[in-house]
Amino acid sequence: KAGVTQTPRYLIKTRGQQVTLSCSPISGHRSVSWYQQTPGQGLQFLFEYFSETQRNKGNFPGRFSGRQFSNSRSEMNVSTLELGDSALYLCASSLAVGVSNEKLFFGSGTQLSVL
Amino acid sequence: GESVGLHLPTLSVQEGDNSIINCAYSNSASDYFIWYKQESGKGPQFIIDIRSNMDKRQGQRVTVLLNKTVKHLSLQIAATQPGDSAVYFCAETLNQAGTALIFGKGTTLSVSS
Repeated sequence: KAGVTQTPRYLIKTRGQQVTLSCSPISGHRSVSWYQQTPGQGLQFLFEYFSETQRNKGNFPGRFSGRQFSNSRSEMNVSTLELGDSALYLCASSLAVGVSNEKLFFGSGTQLSVL
Repeated sequence: GESVGLHLPTLSVQEGDNSIINCAYSNSASDYFIWYKQESGKGPQFIIDIRSNMDKRQGQRVTVLLNKTVKHLSLQIAATQPGDSAVYFCAETLNQAGTALIFGKGTTLSVSS
């Protein structure tokens, strides 16, 4: 079974641009979560989608948004990029068949560099 | 505020030694904790988890201990191998489903042979 796939693997953008990152979850997984990883702040939760609806949201500005499609694939968008948005963006999927303690499976991430 | 932190940023051990990685959490209401391993160029990989109604849980070569009194977690790796070299994170859940996590800063484990 294929793992979580994130595209692209690397991305270089300039300040003020916007970017869209893509995540394909493991087949059959219905929940997709996004995390930002930086050397200074570590791993931080962005948001989670389940059945095309945002179920949880972290403490990030509105420039960060996401969506989930009917096939569970997800995209996240960052508008008006800032230098501080340079980070590894990780996507994780889970089955979401139960009500608690789902195991997350992470992709390898998209490394975004903002110049 | 809520946070999960690790006591040491780095840990260096010899192959065959037992490793202990520690983590302190601040939210006494947290009821589910997970340890992840992240190798260079990869995303975090699930190692082991524990619920708050347990004190100890064992996996293959790994054991997680939970001390709710002092809000402390530890990950013990037996007979550490070079392949165990990675960054280790503890995490606690923000939601009941366990899909929104607070991660600690991480401990880099280096195993020399």
